[in-house]
Amino acid sequence: AQKITQTQPGMFVQEKEAVTLDCTYDTSDQSYGLFWYKQPSSGEMIFLIYQGSYDEQNATEGRYSLNFQKARKSANLVISASQLGDSAMYFCAMREGYSGYSTLTFGKGTMLLVSP
Amino acid sequence: NAGVTQTPKFQVLKTGQSMTLQCAQDMNHNSMYWYRQDPGMGLRLIYYSASEGTTDKGEVPNGYNVSRLNKREFSLRLESAAPSQTSVYFCASSPLGQGEGYTFGSGTRLTVV
Repeated sequence: AQKITQTQPGMFVQEKEAVTLDCTYDTSDQSYGLFWYKQPSSGEMIFLIYQGSYDEQNATEGRYSLNFQKARKSANLVISASQLGDSAMYFCAMREGYSGYSTLTFGKGTMLLVSP
Repeated sequence: NAGVTQTPKFQVLKTGQSMTLQCAQDMNHNSMYWYRQDPGMGLRLIYYSASEGTTDKGEVPNGYNVSRLNKREFSLRLESAAPSQTSVYFCASSPLGQGEGYTFGSGTRLTVV
């Protein structure tokens, strides 16, 4: 079974609208972390936001927020007020366990296109 | 600029040739990683080094070897390149701990013909 599932290969949104990118995860660990990365067409990987499994509040970073629903094992990324520069590939990732020896497992990504 | 530096940025190899991808970080991070990215597959872990002196296999290690030369440098070697190794390779680093995201290099686009 996949550990990280992103069911939306592509999403379209108009500028200034909000968009939600879906991510579900599978782990039996109690301690884990969830991450979102952005990859623009230039290719670099940009860290956006992090949510720890014990964090009670949903993480927010500027226009990005992570809608964390632990019981459903979902960690959706919400981008408010989309901008043209948000057009990119977005990856959800998970780190299991609490140790420097754990690694990130990535989903297959969602391509977001923002139109004027 | 501080960060993760990968060289080269682009490379074309013939089947059977060998090469080493270089990666260096200047953030004093303990852990370093090599991933490959293929269309529709996301990023898959090849090898990682939790700390200086240790290396471990990831999800797709076959056909690769790594060396953690020191705390800063982590190289990936293809001994006999195959067309299936055509991919974009990313090096990343992170401090120990749960909450920190990885810092990625800019990637190496490798084509094996």
